[in-house]
Amino acid sequence: DTAVSQTPKYLVTQMGNDKSIKCEQNLGHDTMYWYKQDSKKFLKIMFSYNNKELIINETVPNRFSPKSPDKAHLNLHINSLELGDSAVYFCASSQGDRITDTQYFGPGTRLTVL
Amino acid sequence: LAKTTQPISMDSYEGQEVNITCSHNNIATNDYITWYQQFPSQGPRFIIQGYKTKVTNEVASLFIPADRKSSTLSLPRVSLSDTAVYYCLDPNSGYALNFGKGTSLLVTP
Repeated sequence: DTAVSQTPKYLVTQMGNDKSIKCEQNLGHDTMYWYKQDSKKFLKIMFSYNNKELIINETVPNRFSPKSPDKAHLNLHINSLELGDSAVYFCASSQGDRITDTQYFGPGTRLTVL
Repeated sequence: LAKTTQPISMDSYEGQEVNITCSHNNIATNDYITWYQQFPSQGPRFIIQGYKTKVTNEVASLFIPADRKSSTLSLPRVSLSDTAVYYCLDPNSGYALNFGKGTSLLVTP
């Protein structure tokens, strides 16, 4: 069974559209994250939730809104998509919320905005 | 931005030992040193973590000198499948991992 799964794996859309990426983990972890990896392969944290509560919200446009319906899910909604949003988005989870807690990453969602 | 410094890229032949050194001069007393690996088209995965001296697991060894301002990830006898990006994490990341750009390792026959 996949520990951290994301859907879809690929997402191609037009500028201005609204899209969502779903993430689910079956590890029983309390903390989930969203990361963005741009074309230069720079991997940057976007959000972190611990027990459905937002604990990290980096400088991300408010067009991006995470939603955690329960501990096992952290979905990412993106409104009014822009060309610069094209990237690979990774979901991750960990038992705790410290750097010493191993994070388990999903396979990534490659978003292409045309 | 990550407060670590590591080489942008390294090349190696199969069967060789590869050592990747990372500088983290601002490491604090309670900080741990953590390395992740990312294969092409996959998410990062944890490799190893240590506090001081030496840590070894089935994948790699981590050497940490007494001042802890640097660490060296050692991959014994690399194979083609070890081609990946290796990240030394900012020990002061706090709640979220700060990856930086990592070291891109290319292993060739």
